[in-house]
Parts: sequence; C-alpha cells; structure tokens
Amino acid sequence: GDSVTQMEGPVTLSEEAFLTINCTYTATGYPSLFWYVQYPGEGLQLLLKATKADDKGSNKGFEATYRKETTSFHLEKGSVQVSDSAVYFCALSDTEYGNKLVFGAGTILRVKS
Amino acid sequence: ETGVTQSPTHLIKTRGQQVTLRCSSQSGHNTVSWYQQALGQGPQFIFQYYREEENGRGNFPPRFSGLQFPNYSSELNVNALELDDSALYLCASSLGQLFSGNTIYFGEGSWLTVV
Repeated sequence: GDSVTQMEGPVTLSEEAFLTINCTYTATGYPSLFWYVQYPGEGLQLLLKATKADDKGSNKGFEATYRKETTSFHLEKGSVQVSDSAVYFCALSDTEYGNKLVFGAGTILRVKS
Repeated sequence: ETGVTQSPTHLIKTRGQQVTLRCSSQSGHNTVSWYQQALGQGPQFIFQYYREEENGRGNFPPRFSGLQFPNYSSELNVNALELDDSALYLCASSLGQLFSGNTIYFGEGSWLTVV
C-alpha cells in the first residue's frame, strides 16, 4: 500500500537557520501531498498542500514542491523562528480511498533562540 | 481554529471497558474520518463516514465502530479496550472527498489512556 517516509528527528536549529525536512512517498497512483503541523497540546493543522507533479505549496514562509521523478515532497523554510517548534507530518491522499490520509511518523523541530 | 470539536479531551478507562468519543464537524461538512495517533507516531486511519454511511476502513478490528448522525456529527466506539488502544484519537471533517481537492480539518483530539 501507499506509504510515507520522513527524516527522523528531532531536528534542532538556531533561530533564523534554514530548515529542510525530507519526505519521500510510495504510491501506485498520483496522490495529493500534504504537510501538517502539530503544535504542543494542539491538533493537526494543514500547513500546505500540492495536488499534482511540479506544484509548489507554500504557507507562512514554508514551501514544498511535488517531485514525481524523485517521489519527494521536502519541506523548506528560509529562516525559522522559535514559534515554528512543533511536530511536522508529511502525508498523502491514498489513491484507493479518496479521503484517507497516509501519514509519515512525524519530525520534531526544536528552534533555539 | 478548525471548527471541529471533540469530547472528551482526556479520559482514563480500564482494560475490557468500552468507550465512546464524540466529534462535531465543521458546519456543512458531510465527511468525517477518525484517526488513531499513538505516542511518537503519525496518525493511522481508522474509518470514514460519508453522508452517514461507512465508506472506507483501515486496518482496525471490528471492536472499533462508528456512527455519523444526520447533522454530520460522529461517534467512535471502542469495545473491549486493550492497553495498546491508549492513544490520541483525532476526528477530521471535510466537504466531499479528498480527490475533489477539498481540505480535511482536524480536531484537537481525545486522549485515551487504558490502564
């Protein structure tokens, strides 16, 4: 079945550092791809999404490009802030069930001031 | 604020007991799905309801069951609780199916501890 693999964390960065969180996927069809963020004590929030190859999703300074040739959807931000500390989940929409999301294990990001 | 509310936020149950978790969808959303998130892991799909009918199920045993009501609110029921059922249970709602490009909105979850 479809699956998502994320880089293991925790990732610890200083404020204003560049962030990359790697995400690769396996899918039989052409899924939509998502990044969700979970702040401490809160539920999941959609950060950005891309629905087809070469699409770039962006939000709050974060961006990710749907790369079909490398089956990747890496999350990047040019300058992180302490407030970005959270758990980041990469996910895809399962190609069999239209509304089922398949998540990676999550990557903890810690930003130090 | 996603407009998806879940209750209770925390609860503790004993092994073998039954539990009901509730979810109120965002207004107008006719699709609700439930996910289990064990500590340190990503959410796992349990099942989905569309217009009051189950139309997708993950790899969970039949003791996990659900309902969707005419107002599109939903319940997740778990019978014969096991220690491994301890997790955060997330409800998510959307308008229609994902392949139509609609966004899924998650609630803050219900923390279940089984002792």
